[in-house]
Amino acid sequence: QVQLQESGPGLVQPSQTLSLTCTVSGGSISSGSPYWSWIRQPAGKGLEWLGRMSTSGSTNYNPSLKSRVTISVDKSKNQFSLKLSSVTAADTAVYYCARDPSSGWPYFDYWGQGALVTVSS
Amino acid sequence: DIQMTQSPSSLSASVGDRVTITCRASQSISSYLNWYQQKPGKAPKLLIYAASSLQSGVPSRFSGSGSGTDFTLTISSLQPEDSGTYYCQQSYSILITFGQGTRLEIK
Repeated sequence: QVQLQESGPGLVQPSQTLSLTCTVSGGSISSGSPYWSWIRQPAGKGLEWLGRMSTSGSTNYNPSLKSRVTISVDKSKNQFSLKLSSVTAADTAVYYCARDPSSGWPYFDYWGQGALVTVSS
Repeated sequence: DIQMTQSPSSLSASVGDRVTITCRASQSISSYLNWYQQKPGKAPKLLIYAASSLQSGVPSRFSGSGSGTDFTLTISSLQPEDSGTYYCQQSYSILITFGQGTRLEIK
């Protein structure tokens, strides 16, 4: 059973960089060549996809954030990470990591429990 | 961006009712449509993928249909544990987008 767990600071100062890590357990991060995504949800609002990375290194980002977001994978640690630069209060949200098994029909079958990140001084 | 519009935004129904939630895409997305259920404080849970395929472990009272621009999620006989918010999500475009959600309340 694949499990995902987000970790990182819960409080980030405005203009700084938000950094989160997702640790994958229950299987290799490279097994089946999945895509690994970050998705966020402001309190009481809907879901916004931020971007994804394959274990081969290809990335896709939401154009609304493209200049600020970076996703990377560390296969040796079975982890992937999110960096979001120049944050503002609008970036306050619960951040989820999720897996797309890349079965030909893209969908998210495994999710982390979510990490609340607050942007405030 | 492909815009996903769900209706209704919220609904209230009784145990045993048949419930239908619709999702409309701003352009054709073939069958690249997934449905999720989210409980308060929890991550979304995949219910249906590829418009009509039931995810493993999901009760058979959930079903999905549609293609192109119009899709439906149906709960054939509503159960108390089905309360929550339901989201559709398109994966036709590399820019993945979600509907705004439908909040389902059990009367």
